Amino acid sequence: DSGVTQTPKHLITATGQRVTLRCSPRSGDLSVYWYQQSLDQGLQFLIQYYNGEERAKGNILERFSAQQFPDLHSELNLSSLELGDSALYFCASSETGYEQYFGPGTRLTVT
Amino acid sequence: GESVGLHLPTLSVQEGDNSIINCAYSNSASDYFIWYKQESGKGPQFIIDIRSNMDKRQGQRVTVLLNKTVKHLSLQIAATQPGDSAPPSCSGNTGKLIFGQGTTLQVKP
Repeated sequence: DSGVTQTPKHLITATGQRVTLRCSPRSGDLSVYWYQQSLDQGLQFLIQYYNGEERAKGNILERFSAQQFPDLHSELNLSSLELGDSALYFCASSETGYEQYFGPGTRLTVT
Repeated sequence: GESVGLHLPTLSVQEGDNSIINCAYSNSASDYFIWYKQESGKGPQFIIDIRSNMDKRQGQRVTVLLNKTVKHLSLQIAATQPGDSAPPSCSGNTGKLIFGQGTTLQVKP
């Protein structure tokens, strides 16, 4: 158990809809990273937040957005969902910006 | 899309030896790379990451080298152990789809 929690575990929704994925970092970790992993593919870095502010941006679509709240939990918002958005979404947290601890992931299925 | 790919599908090393796993990328705008391992059905386990403003980064028993000139990334594992056999994968980003598939590291006792 990494200490990072993600909810929900599974999410099934229809195309065009909007969903919110939630991540609670390990206690004391200021950085949160979001990744997307499609079937049989590697991790795609989406975005990183540090203490509430966006720190780095990767392969994140304009339909996606994220934020980190004062209590350090983070949410990833996915809108106008398409079939291709079906994937595992992982968040990771880090205290030092060196080692990242991954959560169990949210499996999103868009039908 | 652009890709980050591993050179060798299988690498066989003796336990205790050092091992090197290579990864190549094609988009020179890539600015973040991560090495991780992931067992089937489980979440990723972070190994090490590196940003493009660095050439080298060291961790516990692992070192990542980034050669931006030839767009090459390598993971060096010191004193390879049987627990290292979970296939490491490399991944990067440029805003386009980039991924690296895991290679199998076979550690012989």
